Amino acid sequence: AQTVTQSQPEMSVQEAETVTLSCTYDTSESDYYLFWYKQPPSRQMILVIRQEAYKQQNATENRFSVNFQKAAKSFSLKISDSQLGDAAMYFCAYDDGNEKLTFGTGTRLTIIP
Amino acid sequence: EAQVTQNPRYLITVTGKKLTVTCSQNMNHEYMSWYRQDPGLGLRQIYYSMNVEVTDKGDVPEGYKVSRKEKRNFPLILESPSPNQTSLYFCASSFSWQYQETQYFGPGTRLLVL
Repeated sequence: AQTVTQSQPEMSVQEAETVTLSCTYDTSESDYYLFWYKQPPSRQMILVIRQEAYKQQNATENRFSVNFQKAAKSFSLKISDSQLGDAAMYFCAYDDGNEKLTFGTGTRLTIIP
Repeated sequence: EAQVTQNPRYLITVTGKKLTVTCSQNMNHEYMSWYRQDPGLGLRQIYYSMNVEVTDKGDVPEGYKVSRKEKRNFPLILESPSPNQTSLYFCASSFSWQYQETQYFGPGTRLLVL
């Protein structure tokens, strides 16, 4: 069974600084998608960024970018110029087409003013 | 506005009293799914549906039922709720079950079973 591991239960960063959230996954598949979801205090799940495994280029969405290392099965999220509104729980998720997303346990990010 | 809606958003009930959490999407999505979120466990899939009248179990289906009579609606039914079903529940939908389709989540339903 596929597993997703987020080894950092909590992280904090100074406002305007850069922070990287880690995610590793276990799979024997070659084609799959990886996602980062943000869950603010409102509890809404918001898609931040997604990466197709067959693409070598790392996905970028404004201040959010990923470092995708397929061989190492690593998928970290980098947030640049951190803002107070980035404070949230962040979930890494994996999808190989088995009708579900497999989620990590989450990393709670705190932004220090 | 394209969205997934859930009702109620908050619910307190007692053990054994049947309840239904509704989920509706207005994006003509074929695929719908229910997850529960518990501290330290992330989100786990309860049931999913690839289309009308097609449903299947996820990772934690015990104690839950679902139905998919219409494309837009996918209610979650707890026939006899127990305290271990206290959780935060999310409904999600996507255009199809294909893995390249992004899932969109509802706002969540917080359930407390006493």
